[in-house]
This record gives sequence, C-alpha cells and structure tokens, in this order.
Amino acid sequence: DVKVTQSSRYLVKRTGEKVFLECVQDMDHENMFWYRQDPGLGLRLIYFSYDVKMKEKGDIPEGYSVSREKKERFSLILESASTNQTSMYLCASRTSGRAYEQYFGPGTRLTVT
Amino acid sequence: QQPVQSPQAVILREGEDAVINCSSSKALYSVHWYRQKHGEAPVFLMILLKGGEQKGHEKISASFNEKKQQSSLYLTASQLSYSGTYFCGTGGPRDDKIIFGKGTRLHILP
Repeated sequence: DVKVTQSSRYLVKRTGEKVFLECVQDMDHENMFWYRQDPGLGLRLIYFSYDVKMKEKGDIPEGYSVSREKKERFSLILESASTNQTSMYLCASRTSGRAYEQYFGPGTRLTVT
Repeated sequence: QQPVQSPQAVILREGEDAVINCSSSKALYSVHWYRQKHGEAPVFLMILLKGGEQKGHEKISASFNEKKQQSSLYLTASQLSYSGTYFCGTGGPRDDKIIFGKGTRLHILP
C-alpha cells in the first residue's frame, strides 16, 4: 500500500521560531510537493521538487524554503514562523509523467501563536 | 494561476445528479480530479489528458474540452459517500506540477 507520511498531525509554534515539516514517501516517486490549504482558498502550491536537490517555486513560496537531500524525503522550512502561516500543510508525491495520480499525506495542522 | 471551479458549493439529495466545472485561463494539457472528505487527505478520482486519454474510477465520468479549456466532473445517482470537497487540478506542458482550484463542496442529504 502506497504511503506518504508527515512528521506531525498537529504542531504549535511561536512567532519567530524556525519550523521544519517533514514528509516521507515510500513509492520511489521523482516528484514531491508541498501545498497549503486554507478555507476558501483551496490547495495552493508552495514548492515542488522533481529530483533530489532540485526544486521549483510554486505560487506562494514567500516565507518558505525546502530541502530534498534524499529521494524519499522532502522538508518544508519556515525560516521565521508568522501567524499568517497558520494553516494545514499537505505533502504529496507523484511519479514523473502526465498520466499519474498524486498521493497526499494526512496533513500537518500548524498553529503559530 | 488557479483554475476556477463552479459551483462553490452544492447540496443534493441522495440519487440526484451533480456536475462540477473547472475552467482555466491557460491551455490545458491534463486535468486531475480529487475528492477530500473532512479531516482526510485528498484522494484521486480521475485524470484526463489532452488527446482524449482518461484514467480513473469506473463510476466517475468527466469531460475535457481542450478548446474551451474546461473540464466537468459528472456525479450520477449520488450517494451519501460522495459528500466532500472536490478539487480540480491542471497540468501544464511540463506536467511536473499540478495547480489546484479552490474546490467545490458537495453535501448529499439522505
């Protein structure tokens, strides 16, 4: 059974803290993605990676960075967390190629106080 | 740019049909449909590709109009289990990333 796991389901951090969200997939997928989900705004792409150490910005990269040192792991980093980054964060992975489905992790609900 | 979904929300009775639309301001190369139930991760429903190829669940149907840059998802004889938020995502020529819309909330009443 395919799996995308995320390090935490719920996370509470203080303003200004550095925050790491981890995502691991066990399907040997080339592509990995980080989305942010907010009510009424849908799924917005933050960053994606198409290979180890390769990344591209999505639609809302400001305030975030990513790291992909190993194929199975993709990390989202909030350099200095702010209250407007309180959100649900979803990781996903997918085989390279147009006709393949994307698998999502369970999400991390991050609250920044 | 996010594709535009309509309607934003719809309430149906069990057994009724629903159509969810997705339109893009850019040329479409692929359209991806997902359903998310409350508190769960989005789950794949269907992929439609430029050129006519489709891949997905047998009980779900969808259309892809390349000229109009639109896709529609058809849910017939809806069941209670169809409730959730439906997202369409569009892929560009490089297909590496999928940009999702804001979602359509579907609520099925018994």
